[in-house]
Amino acid sequence: DADVTQTPRNRITKTGKRIMLECSQTKGHDRMYWYRQDPGLGLQLIYYSFDVKDINKGEISDGYSVSRQAQAKFSLSLESAIPNQTALYFCATSGTSGGADTQYFGPGTRLTVL
Amino acid sequence: EDQVTQSPEALRLQEGESSSLNCSYTVSGLRGLFWYRQDPGKGPEFLFTLYSAGEEKEKERLKATLTKKESFLHITAPKPEDSATYLCAVQARYSGGSNYKLTFGKGTLLTVNP
Repeated sequence: DADVTQTPRNRITKTGKRIMLECSQTKGHDRMYWYRQDPGLGLQLIYYSFDVKDINKGEISDGYSVSRQAQAKFSLSLESAIPNQTALYFCATSGTSGGADTQYFGPGTRLTVL
Repeated sequence: EDQVTQSPEALRLQEGESSSLNCSYTVSGLRGLFWYRQDPGKGPEFLFTLYSAGEEKEKERLKATLTKKESFLHITAPKPEDSATYLCAVQARYSGGSNYKLTFGKGTLLTVNP
């Protein structure tokens, strides 16, 4: 079984709809992240959480919110989806090993907003 | 500001034709340099973490090296299944809890023809 899972894997929605992307991990890591990836722009950090009570904004948090329901679960919500939120979304987790914080990514959710 | 530049943007090789991908970086105190492999529409797959200049790591046909300004990913006798985008990222030694942050390059798209 995969260590980091994301649901759904693909989602098509309409402008103005609220949607939630979910992430679960079995790696036992405290730190979890949400990224989006657009062609030519690379990976951009949306939100990150160091534990259940610690949630922080990343580079591009406007239009998004998150919820850390448990150590292993971290959800991303789009309150009112808009077309420029069409992208690939990745969840990641990290733990410190050997002096650096290695991030492990989930398989991604392809979101299309019409 | 941390910066990562990868070159070339795209590389096409024949099966068995060895080559190297470059990752140049600027960071105020390196905590770790990471290499990931990403297949189309999938999440980045962790390959290596390098911590200090002079360090080398190998995995099958891949070998990553690190200097104070750049890292190379050497691919020896590549096969078509090595075709993917290879991403480089750096993590800096920041104080105040910011040392989780990854700065990614835009990647090198490698195509290996049979």
